[in-house]
Amino acid sequence: DTEVTQTPKHLVMGMTNKKSLKCEQHMGHRAMYWYKQKAKKPPELMFVYSYEKLSINESVPSRFSPECPNSSLLNLHLHALQPEDSALYLCASSQTQGGGYNSPLHFGNGTRLTVT
Amino acid sequence: GESVGLHLPTLSVQEGDNSIINCAYSNSASDYFIWYKQESGKGPQFIIDIRSNMDKRQGQRVTVLLNKTVKHLSLQIAATQPGDSAVYFCADLNQAGTALIFGKGTTLSVSS
Repeated sequence: DTEVTQTPKHLVMGMTNKKSLKCEQHMGHRAMYWYKQKAKKPPELMFVYSYEKLSINESVPSRFSPECPNSSLLNLHLHALQPEDSALYLCASSQTQGGGYNSPLHFGNGTRLTVT
Repeated sequence: GESVGLHLPTLSVQEGDNSIINCAYSNSASDYFIWYKQESGKGPQFIIDIRSNMDKRQGQRVTVLLNKTVKHLSLQIAATQPGDSAVYFCADLNQAGTALIFGKGTTLSVSS
């Protein structure tokens, strides 16, 4: 079992829907991440939060809106998505931003998103 | 763009063999590297990491070798088991050291 919990595991949404992905960790980590992974591709960084503040936005379209309500929770709000946004969305956390030697990123098992 | 990549997209081995998965990186300033294993339907799972001031690091059945001269990283898995079947990614930190960037991945298939 992973120490980073993501819900829901699967999500199907229409292009006009609004939905949210949720991520939770209780390891006391102060950095949290969203990655997007298409089939047979490596995870691609989307957002990084450090001490509950947005630190990195990798030029992600505004239809993806991250939120970090507290140090244990990370949300990704979705609105007006396109079919090409269908992917596995992975949340990760680390003790400090970037992780590092003996302090790696811990990943959840992801939310499989399908946009119809 | 990404600074790490893997030589081969797929690798097939027999159970009990040793596996070697390779990764080449382009950023000579990279000072931290990490290997992840991703099984089907799961998120990436940490295997082992290494700092640039090291040439070798060993874990349980795994060894990571770093050759800074040719900017090459490898993951060796001893006595490969069917449970080792997965996609393996190497990754390193971005230029600012603030986020992990993944290479392309190698799919390891272990047959009994």
